[in-house]
Amino acid sequence: AQTVTQSQPEMSVQEAETVTLSCTYDTSESDYYLFWYKQPPSRQMILVIRQEAYKQQNATENRFSVNFQKAAKSFSLKISDSQLGDAAMYFCAYRSLTGANSKLTFGKGITLSVRP
Amino acid sequence: ETGVTQTPRHLVMGMTNKKSLKCEQHLGHNAMYWYKQSAKKPLELMFVYNFKEQTENNSVPSRFSPECPNSSHLFLHLHTLQPEDSALYLCASSQENSPEAFFGQGTRLTVV
Repeated sequence: AQTVTQSQPEMSVQEAETVTLSCTYDTSESDYYLFWYKQPPSRQMILVIRQEAYKQQNATENRFSVNFQKAAKSFSLKISDSQLGDAAMYFCAYRSLTGANSKLTFGKGITLSVRP
Repeated sequence: ETGVTQTPRHLVMGMTNKKSLKCEQHLGHNAMYWYKQSAKKPLELMFVYNFKEQTENNSVPSRFSPECPNSSHLFLHLHTLQPEDSALYLCASSQENSPEAFFGQGTRLTVV
């Protein structure tokens, strides 16, 4: 079974600075998806970024980028130019390619605070 | 508008009550999910419905009873719950051949 580990429960960043959130996972599969989801106080889980394991290039979405290290099974999220609205819980998630509508496996999440 | 709507947003119920959570998705997806989110724990998958058929029950106690009358609607019927069932219950949907899941805002359930 796949597992996702987010070992840092909390992080803080100064507004306009850069922060990196860590995630590691364990799997025996070679093809899969990795995600970062954001959950603000409104509780809505919002997809931030997605990475396909077969792609070597790291995904980027505006101020959000990932550092995907497949051999190390590491998938960190970098937030550049942090904004107050980035304060939220961030979840790393894994999804297998095999099996129709295979489930998402989540980490415990990390609470990010942004200091003005 | 997120496309996945959950009602109610908040629910307080006694241990002898019967209540239902509702989820509706307007995205044309064919799979729907119930997740439980408790403090300090990863999201726990409870049930998966694919084309209205239950394809996964993650060892959920029988006091939780899902119902999926069509691909757009998903219910979670609750009866004789325990205080430890208090949590945020999230509904999600996805489309075959697309990896993303889209979530509702959740129902905050408190069992007293």
